[in-house]
Amino acid sequence: KAGVTQTPRYLIKTRGQQVTLSCSPISGHRSVSWYQQTPGQGLQFLFEYFSETQRNKGNFPGRFSGRQFSNSRSEMNVSTLELGDSALYLCASSLALGAGDTQYFGPGTRLTVL
Amino acid sequence: DQQVKQNSPSLSVQEGRISILNCDYTNSMFDYFLWYKKYPAEGPTFLISISSIKDKNEDGRFTVFLNKSAKHLSLHIVPSQPGDSAVYFCAAKGGNTPLVFGKGTRLSVIA
Repeated sequence: KAGVTQTPRYLIKTRGQQVTLSCSPISGHRSVSWYQQTPGQGLQFLFEYFSETQRNKGNFPGRFSGRQFSNSRSEMNVSTLELGDSALYLCASSLALGAGDTQYFGPGTRLTVL
Repeated sequence: DQQVKQNSPSLSVQEGRISILNCDYTNSMFDYFLWYKKYPAEGPTFLISISSIKDKNEDGRFTVFLNKSAKHLSLHIVPSQPGDSAVYFCAAKGGNTPLVFGKGTRLSVIA
């Protein structure tokens, strides 16, 4: 079974631009979560989707948004990019949102903002 | 407020010996705990998990121990191998709340 895929793998943008990242979950998984990882930090939770609905949102500004499609694929968008948005953005999928549902991660998208 | 803490940023262990990685949590609502391993420029890889109804779970060389009264869990790797060198993240969740991660421990296994 194919794993979680993320596109693109690398991205370079300039301040003020916007960016869209894509995530395809493992087949059959209906939940997708997004995380930001910066140097020295753990994984910071961005948002979580299940059945096209945002179920949880982390403590990030409104410039960060996301959505999930009917085929469970998900996108996240960052508008008006800032230098501090440079990070590894990770997507994870799980069967559902239950307590025992393990999240499986994709390889990430490395975003560099110049 | 860090709900999941990994107080050791790094750990060095000799090949063949035991590696013990520790994790503490503060939220008593957490009932499912996971360990992930991460290499640079890759996504975290799921290693092992444990539910709060258990106090131990084994999978090959990896064993996770959970002490609910102390709000502490640990990951034991026996025997440690050079390929185990990576950053290890502890994570926890309760019900439908998001997964909360610690900041990671960098394990170096020296041949």
